Amino acid sequence: KAGVTQTPRYLIKTRGQQVTLSCSPISGHRSVSWYQQTPGQGLQFLFEYFSETQRNKGNFPGRFSGRQFSNSRSEMNVSTLELGDSALYLCASSLSGGDSQPQHFGDGTRLSIL
Amino acid sequence: AQSVSQHNHHVILSEAASLELGCNYSYGGTVNLFWYVQYPGQHLQLLLKYFSGDPLVKGIKGFEAEFIKSKFSFNLRKPSVQWSDTAEYFCAVNAGGNTGKLIFGQGTTLQVKP
Repeated sequence: KAGVTQTPRYLIKTRGQQVTLSCSPISGHRSVSWYQQTPGQGLQFLFEYFSETQRNKGNFPGRFSGRQFSNSRSEMNVSTLELGDSALYLCASSLSGGDSQPQHFGDGTRLSIL
Repeated sequence: AQSVSQHNHHVILSEAASLELGCNYSYGGTVNLFWYVQYPGQHLQLLLKYFSGDPLVKGIKGFEAEFIKSKFSFNLRKPSVQWSDTAEYFCAVNAGGNTGKLIFGQGTTLQVKP
């Protein structure tokens, strides 16, 4: 079956703009989590959605937001982009997001801020 | 706060050498532990996981890991590495509760020389 699909694969934006990233989970998976990966900070948890509700949130400013649709697809939005937002953004899905369920990761969206 | 520490940032081995990558976490309660691998140009993939039971868990491609609760450790091992094991390895912890949130270590880059 198809894996986790993230679009677009690459994005270039300038400071102050906003961006929306999309994630389609594996069919049947209802939990979607987002992570930011940078060389300096590694992989950091952004938030998790389950049944269209944000279930958990990491330590990121309010400029980072997300949502989940009834078909479990999720979007992540970053407003007022800063240079430090340049990163690989990863989406992961699991059946129900329980603590014992492994996350399945997408290829990521590489966001570059000029 | 929960954290995960991977001691080796960059490891270089020759083929057939044995591998051990260290991982320690800080959390006093029940945890679920994972090792993920990221091959060059590919997405994060699950190598193995520990939830409960036998503390020695076996994963794909000949990898295994041992959970030592008293040492808060979950080290990854492989008796004989191959050139194809060249990748970045991440240890991750899920500290329980009904959430898929993962706390990742900084990652270890493994380079295997043919």
